[in-house]
Amino acid sequence: RKEVEQDPGPFNVPEGATVAFNCTYSNSASQSFFWYRQDCRKEPKLLMSVYSSGNEDGRFTAQLNRASQYISLLIRDSKLSDSATYLCAVTPGGGADGLTFGKGTHLIIQP
Amino acid sequence: GAVVSQHPSRVICKSGTSVKIECRSLDFQATTMFWYRQFPKKSLMLMATSNEGSKATYEQGVEKDKFLINHASLTLSTLTVTSAHPEDSSFYICSARSPGAGETQYFGPGTRLLVL
Repeated sequence: RKEVEQDPGPFNVPEGATVAFNCTYSNSASQSFFWYRQDCRKEPKLLMSVYSSGNEDGRFTAQLNRASQYISLLIRDSKLSDSATYLCAVTPGGGADGLTFGKGTHLIIQP
Repeated sequence: GAVVSQHPSRVICKSGTSVKIECRSLDFQATTMFWYRQFPKKSLMLMATSNEGSKATYEQGVEKDKFLINHASLTLSTLTVTSAHPEDSSFYICSARSPGAGETQYFGPGTRLLVL
């Protein structure tokens, strides 16, 4: 079983729609969770950290479900500029651990 | 936000040569930096954790003698790909943790390496 799994998509979504994707992780001891956005041939850029209580940043909402070991990302009122690959990443914690990434979910917002 | 730079952004080299990639934290000091590699249509894979003033910690399957890491200061880590071969062609990306930002890592713009 892969450590971090995502549906690769692509998700083709009309502009203005709401889209959600999940990411599952296998290490129950994982402590930190993130969503990154990666544009074609660019580095990942932090979208948001994911907290146990859930968090929202504008049109983006992230949730963590520790019992089922998944995190989710919800994008409301999607824009053309939201088209990208969304990577989830986890770390076992401890202060010095690198990130384990999923393969990413490719999102295409269509006009 | 925290800014991380990488140099060069892209490099083409002949098989058998060595290539050095620099990663700098521009507006903060990073005791820990990380090196990742991403092959086309694949996820980023952690190669090694670079700690200032000590030896790097390599992930399983990453040859430490081939990928030399030096973290001589709190703002600079270098990755040297020694005796590069075509299969080393990849997108190499570094990241650094910003103090006060918890586990959050900020990524450099990456270096695209093509070995002929």
